[in-house]
Amino acid sequence: GNSVTQMEGPVTLSEEAFLTINCTYTATGYPSLFWYVQYPGEGLQLLLKATKADDKGSNKGFEATYRKETTSFHLEKGSVQVSDSAVYFCALSPLSGSARQLTFGSGTQLTVLP
Amino acid sequence: DTAVSQTPKYLVTQMGNDKSIKCEQNLGHDTMYWYKQDSKKFLKIMFSYNNKELIINETVPNRFSPKSPDKAHLNLHINSLELGDSAVYFCASSQTPVETQYFGPGTRLLVL
Repeated sequence: GNSVTQMEGPVTLSEEAFLTINCTYTATGYPSLFWYVQYPGEGLQLLLKATKADDKGSNKGFEATYRKETTSFHLEKGSVQVSDSAVYFCALSPLSGSARQLTFGSGTQLTVLP
Repeated sequence: DTAVSQTPKYLVTQMGNDKSIKCEQNLGHDTMYWYKQDSKKFLKIMFSYNNKELIINETVPNRFSPKSPDKAHLNLHINSLELGDSAVYFCASSQTPVETQYFGPGTRLLVL
């Protein structure tokens, strides 16, 4: 079956530090890959996505590259802000099937200190 | 404008009660979903409807029954609530079953 493995949290960084949150996946074929962010007390928001190998998704300074050879989709940001404090979820959606349900990783809590 | 809305936002109830959570989307999407997020933030899909028809029905107790009166609404009814049902329930929608999903703000259910 499909699965997503994220690095364990929580992650605590100082403002302007470099962020990496690791994500690897197991799936048949080449799924679409997503990063969602959940701010405190809110629902999930799509942060970025990539639909094929070597694609780079980017948004709000965050980037992730779809690496087929390592089955990874690591999230990076060069300089984090306090407002980036949230829970980050990596997810995949299979390429085929009538209902491409999302499979989520366990989430990584990020806290950015001023 | 709220794209995906849920009511209520908080729900505190006693074991054994029956409760409903409502979800509405104004995005014109055809597909809607219910997810459960446990205390460790783990998210798992429960149900999905496309054009009012059930297309995903994961292994959840049959005390949970989704109902889609029209494409813009997907409600979740829970019978005989148990302590383990305490969680945050998220509704989501997408244009089709293969498009990006948009999530509601969640309903925090606490069963005492």
